[in-house]
This record gives sequence, structure tokens and C-alpha cells, in this order.
Amino acid sequence: AQKVTQAQTEISVVEKEDVTLDCVYETRDTTYYLFWYKQPPSGELVFLIRRNSFDEQNEISGRYSWNFQKSTSSFNFTITASQVVDSAVYFCALSEGGTYKYIFGTGTRLKVLA
Amino acid sequence: KAGVTQTPRYLIKTRGQQVTLSCSPISGHRSVSWYQQTPGQGLQFLFEYFSETQRNKGNFPGRFSGRQFSNSRSEMNVSTLELGDSALYLCASSFWATAQETQYFGPGTRLLVL
Repeated sequence: AQKVTQAQTEISVVEKEDVTLDCVYETRDTTYYLFWYKQPPSGELVFLIRRNSFDEQNEISGRYSWNFQKSTSSFNFTITASQVVDSAVYFCALSEGGTYKYIFGTGTRLKVLA
Repeated sequence: KAGVTQTPRYLIKTRGQQVTLSCSPISGHRSVSWYQQTPGQGLQFLFEYFSETQRNKGNFPGRFSGRQFSNSRSEMNVSTLELGDSALYLCASSFWATAQETQYFGPGTRLLVL
């Protein structure tokens, strides 16, 4: 069965600190896709990044970077030099090949203090 | 390009009533998915529609139903409302809703059942 675990319920950092959000997933499929979404207080889920199971290359996009490791089934997300506007709930999601739905983690609330 | 729109944004109903929520996908997108978000259960998949056909359904009772129109707009209906149906209902759209596609979410409809 597929499952996404975000063990960190809430994280508080001071502005300009780097912060890493953890995500561990379970799936029996060899083809799957992982996503990170941000949910600000307004409620809308905002897409951040996507990675497929065949590409373990880690990348940096602006202040965002991610670390995908199939060996540990982890897909961690890092924000560099955090800003107050980064305060939100962050969700990790899994989509398996052949399905049409996302399995979400429980979310991590990030508070960036000025 | 306009994003996913959902109406109404807020709704208050009483137990036993029924409710209909509406979602208009991004122009050109043919797939619409619905998710329920509650503090206790998190984000859970309700169902997905493509070209007016339901392709996948989550583990929700039959009181939850939906449909999609020829212009890809979708509605979901909840009959005989219960207190536990109070939630944020999110709609997402994508072109095909294949696993590798990114789903784009609307702002949600906040339903309160009294």
C-alpha cells in the first residue's frame, strides 16, 4: 500500500535560516512521482516541485532544493535563506503510475519568524 | 491563463441538508479531481473525472457524488450532511491526470455543517 509520512508536525525558524522538510514514502510500484505543495493560509495548494522515480538527480531551483533518495525512500525539501512569506503548511504527495490520485502526507507547518 | 476556480468559497449548512460545490478547471484541462481536507484526516482523495467519466473513487460513502460536464466543469454533491463533513473541499485539474502530471489546485470551498 502507498503511504507518505511527514514526521515533522511543525517547524519554527528565524528568517534567513535554512530549513529542511522531511518526507518518507512507501510504494510497491517502480514507477511513481513525488510532489511538494505549499498551502498558505488562503487554503490553495501551490505546486512547488515534482520528481519521478527514475530520476534521482537532485536539483536547486532558486531558494528551493530537494534531495531524492530511493534507497531510503525519502524526498526531502530544503528552503535556503527562509523568508516570512515561506510560512505555510507544506505537503509531500505521491502518485503511482496508472493511478489518477495523489496520496498526501499530513503536512508540516513552517513558521518563519522575523 | 486563469487558474482553477471554485464556488462558493464558503458555505454553512445544517445536518441533513445537501450541498453542491462547483469547480471550473484551467482552460484546456480535461481532468478534475476532488479532495477533502480535515484536521483529523488530512487530505483525502474523493474522486476524479475525465471526459465526463469517473475514473477513480476514494473511500467515501455514497453520500458523496460528483459529475463532470462536457465543458470539463465539475460539481460534487454531498447529501444528508453530517457534522464530520465540515471540511475544506479542494478541486484540482490537469490535462490527462496521468500520474506524472502536476495537478493544479483551486482555493477550495470551506463547508461548515452545524
